[in-house]
Amino acid sequence: SQQGEEDPQALSIQEGENATMNCSYKTSINNLQWYRQNSGRGLVHLILIRSNEREKHSGRLRVTLDTSKKSSSLLITASRAADTASYFCATAQAGTALIFGKGTTLSVSS
Amino acid sequence: NAGVMQNPRHLVRRRGQEARLRCSPMKGHSHVYWYRQLPEEGLKFMVYLQKENIIDESGMPKERFSAEFPKEGPSILRIQQVVRGDSAAYFCASSQDNDGNTIYFGEGSWLTVV
Repeated sequence: SQQGEEDPQALSIQEGENATMNCSYKTSINNLQWYRQNSGRGLVHLILIRSNEREKHSGRLRVTLDTSKKSSSLLITASRAADTASYFCATAQAGTALIFGKGTTLSVSS
Repeated sequence: NAGVMQNPRHLVRRRGQEARLRCSPMKGHSHVYWYRQLPEEGLKFMVYLQKENIIDESGMPKERFSAEFPKEGPSILRIQQVVRGDSAAYFCASSQDNDGNTIYFGEGSWLTVV
């Protein structure tokens, strides 16, 4: 069964705008990871945030984690057309495989 | 350092044939995971293996599907007597350990059953 659920399912923005995607999950986790997938390609790891962390940055990406609400958000600032892709959150418990949500499809138009 | 290598990238099989998908993990990685992705959907976990052992196969269909990760050579996902519903992208990923560190994905194998 799905563990993470992303919201919204689809998001369309203009270049230069910020994009925010949310992820909710059901059980306790060891860490939460965000991945990007371009059409017809594999998944590229973006960022990992551990359960004892609240916020993490990587370039134009900012991820937050609220374990009390069992939710995470991914913010992409100053978006570019090349950011167009599907974004997935995935959660991990100790010793288990990552469980993915259904993803958010982001379209950035120039 | 080569990434996770999957082959074939694309595979067409007729109903009833067998499909074999191969995955070579990143160098130094002994944990392998297989996922299936249907069109417009997320990745569904299938099986998690560590050299010669199946750790978790809770996502594998009970029939026709099997996976192995031998001491030498790639991990193999085998689908016997394929049906149209098996058409999907199959992704392999690997990690160094299972302590919650990053797992790295291959580019996937796209299976089409005609």
